Amino acid sequence: GEQVEQRPPHLSVREGDSAVITCTYTDPNSYYFFWYKQEPGASLQLLMKVFSSTEINEGQGFTVLLNKKDKRLSLNLTAAHPGDSAAYFCAVRTNSAGNKLTFGIGTRVLVRP
Amino acid sequence: DTTVKQNPRYKLARVGKPVNLICSQTMNHDTMYWYQKKPNQAPKLLLFYYDKILNREADTFEKFQSSRPNNSFCSLYIGSAGLEYSAMYLCASSSGGALEQYFGPGTRLTVL
Repeated sequence: GEQVEQRPPHLSVREGDSAVITCTYTDPNSYYFFWYKQEPGASLQLLMKVFSSTEINEGQGFTVLLNKKDKRLSLNLTAAHPGDSAAYFCAVRTNSAGNKLTFGIGTRVLVRP
Repeated sequence: DTTVKQNPRYKLARVGKPVNLICSQTMNHDTMYWYQKKPNQAPKLLLFYYDKILNREADTFEKFQSSRPNNSFCSLYIGSAGLEYSAMYLCASSSGGALEQYFGPGTRLTVL
């Protein structure tokens, strides 16, 4: 079945710097990709979803890049601020797996002042 | 309102005793999911209900039960808790036409 590897597990960045989290997956039938953010004590909140073969999506303070050829999904936090301190999870939806989500292990991001 | 609620938030159970966790959503979503998350591990899907149809993952088939008495509620039942069941249990829901899942805050289960 699908396997998702997420790196790094922990990330400490200075406020104003950028940070990149990367997920690689194995199943070429995967077709929808998600990034979730979880602040301490709170629910996983959807940050962004992407589907196209190669797509760059920009949100508020972050950029998501999908490269299906390399089976890689990345989240780039641009100009990190303290509110970005949270756990981030990538998730992959695969048609061949009954449309369930396979998650990465998560990345704990700490933004230092 | 895209809120998924879970009760209780914290649960302490004794080895060998049953555990029942509750999830609710008012978004009229047709699918509800239960995930197990342990420290330093990815959330792992245990089972999901699509409408009234229960689908359980093969490797957790024997360990967890669930019921969905109506569209809004879904429970996760452990008949006899073991130490290995200590984890965060996340409930999520989604609408058939949409792809994203909405998550509750989780129930932290500690089995002693």
